[in-house]
Amino acid sequence: AQTVTQSQPEMSVQEAETVTLSCTYDTSESNYYLFWYKQPPSRQMILVIRQEAYKQQNATENRFSVNFQKAAKSFSLKISDSQLGDTAMYFCAFFTPMYSGGGADGLTFGKGTHLIIQP
Amino acid sequence: DSGVTQTPKHLITATGQRVTLRCSPRSGDLSVYWYQQSLDQGLQFLIHYYNGEERAKGNILERFSAQQFPDLHSELNLSSLELGDSALYFCASSPSPIRVAGRSTGTDTQYFGPGTRLTVL
Repeated sequence: AQTVTQSQPEMSVQEAETVTLSCTYDTSESNYYLFWYKQPPSRQMILVIRQEAYKQQNATENRFSVNFQKAAKSFSLKISDSQLGDTAMYFCAFFTPMYSGGGADGLTFGKGTHLIIQP
Repeated sequence: DSGVTQTPKHLITATGQRVTLRCSPRSGDLSVYWYQQSLDQGLQFLIHYYNGEERAKGNILERFSAQQFPDLHSELNLSSLELGDSALYFCASSPSPIRVAGRSTGTDTQYFGPGTRLTVL
């Protein structure tokens, strides 16, 4: 079974600063996907960024980027120029898709990091 | 807006009762996943349906069941409710597999609905 660990329960930074959220995972699968989801106070789960394990290039989406270290099983999220609207819970998630033969289980989530952006 | 809808938004009921949560996936998505988010257990995968068939079960209690209908909407049925079943229940949908350069892709990203907040008193 896969496990996802987020070691920072809460982080607080000033607006416009850069912040990095940590995530490590454990799996025996070779083909998988990693995600960061954001959950603001509205409780909606919003996809932030997605990384395919077979791609070495780190994914980026505007101010959000990841540092994917496959050998170390590490998947951190960097938020640049942080904004007040980035305040939310951030969840790291692991997924093995159906076509890889790894089954059709759902996402495995970490416990989350509560990120607070201070004005 | 993810395109996934869930009803109702809030549900308050008593212990021992039965409720049904409804989910409509994004247009064209064949996969529906159900998740439970509680303070104790965090976000947990419950069950996955693909084109009407059950594909995988996670930490779903025997008191819970689900189905996916021909129009692809899904329902999660929770029975003999206990106080500990109080939680936020999400469904998520994902696209059907497509082949690009000989490789199936497109099934990995899940789009979440707004959730149903269940309170058991």
